[in-house]
Amino acid sequence: QKEVEQDPGPLSVPEGAIVSLNCTYSNSAFQYFMWYRQYSRKGPELLMYTYSSGNKEDGRFTAQVDKSSKYISLFIRDSQPSDSATYLCAMSAQGNTPLVFGKGTRLSVIA
Amino acid sequence: GAVVSQHPSRVICKSGTSVKIECRSLDFQATTMFWYRQFPKQSLMLMATSNEGSKATYEQGVEKDKFLINHASLTLSTLTVTSAHPEDSSFYICSAHNSLDEKLFFGSGTQLSVL
Repeated sequence: QKEVEQDPGPLSVPEGAIVSLNCTYSNSAFQYFMWYRQYSRKGPELLMYTYSSGNKEDGRFTAQVDKSSKYISLFIRDSQPSDSATYLCAMSAQGNTPLVFGKGTRLSVIA
Repeated sequence: GAVVSQHPSRVICKSGTSVKIECRSLDFQATTMFWYRQFPKQSLMLMATSNEGSKATYEQGVEKDKFLINHASLTLSTLTVTSAHPEDSSFYICSAHNSLDEKLFFGSGTQLSVL
């Protein structure tokens, strides 16, 4: 079993839809959870950052961490065509240790 | 958000030449930086962890003599691909860890094409 599992998609939704992206993980030591957005041939951009369990909201984005289930989610409300990108979940046990990434989910929001 | 500058964004070189890629944290000090490699439609593959003032730690299968990493200051790390060959063609991305907020920020990446 890989440390982090993420469905690669592709996921295609109509504009305005609510998008749900998820990752599961196996290492119970993970405490830092991040979601990155990556456009083609660009570096990943940090979208959401969560320490330990709980929810975090930033504009149209909501990140959830359920450590008991080893499951994290990213919700995008009112999705826009500009949200079309690859979304990577990432996590680590300590702040300065290398992140373990999911494979990324390719999202297309159709106008 | 914090900015990490990576330069150059694109390099085309002949086989056998060496290429240096710079990664700078512009508004925070980064004692730890990471170098990744990414093939098309695949996730990031960690190559090495770079700590300021000490030798880099390389992941299994990454040749340290091929990919030279220098982290001489708290804001700059460099990756030199020595004697590049076509199989080294890839997208290289650096990231810098901000110890104040424990967040990791990425550079914009360097597309290396070796002819």
